[in-house]
Amino acid sequence: GAGVSQSPRYKVAKRGQDVALRCDPISGHVSLFWYQQALGQGPEFLTYFQNEAQLDKSGLPSDRFFAERPEGSVSTLKIQRTQQEDSAVYLCASSRLGGGGSTDTQYFGPGTRLTVL
Amino acid sequence: DQQVKQNSPSLSVQEGRISILNCDYTNSMFDYFLWYKKYPAEGPTFLISISSIKDKNEDGRFTVFLNKSAKHLSLHIVPSQPGDSAVYFCAASGNEKLTFGTGTRLTIIP
Repeated sequence: GAGVSQSPRYKVAKRGQDVALRCDPISGHVSLFWYQQALGQGPEFLTYFQNEAQLDKSGLPSDRFFAERPEGSVSTLKIQRTQQEDSAVYLCASSRLGGGGSTDTQYFGPGTRLTVL
Repeated sequence: DQQVKQNSPSLSVQEGRISILNCDYTNSMFDYFLWYKKYPAEGPTFLISISSIKDKNEDGRFTVFLNKSAKHLSLHIVPSQPGDSAVYFCAASGNEKLTFGTGTRLTIIP
């Protein structure tokens, strides 16, 4: 596709439910990133993949958060036993290069707004 | 500890005038800086970037200035247009991942 797509765009979950958020990166992009954006804040890094390898997961807030990219393209962010503090917009971004260092522009999807009741 | 700061939550500018958005950072390991523009219910859209080896980068109406000694960058928009009204995020990179500021809401007054 022309850009990064994410689904669903909106998700409402009851506290304790598991959710799965999907990201389709730009075709051919090697790197994929997940960010969490709380209301009134800037996006915060969660995790980073280069192809199927998860190279950095230092931003994942707890072991309830899990991300995968098994075939090096589509990625899924899974949140188990959701809590109210998980309510946020989850953004996915992709960039063309892998290991290209810092100077590789990240392109963002529209995000998934998760509301936990 | 906020490594990237945008101290102005909002800015209003008359159409046709210059908009100047500011950003400060603390981590000297950052070597690439970007500005993103965000409309409601959309993801951030890449606007312009600058490498730490440069002090200026220009793209049409948008110019980014970097002052490494002051750890400060700014985005200039000239002339400002109504479609520029959005939230602008400054971001910095030093090891693949981006660190964002909290954003500045720019409103262009017709």
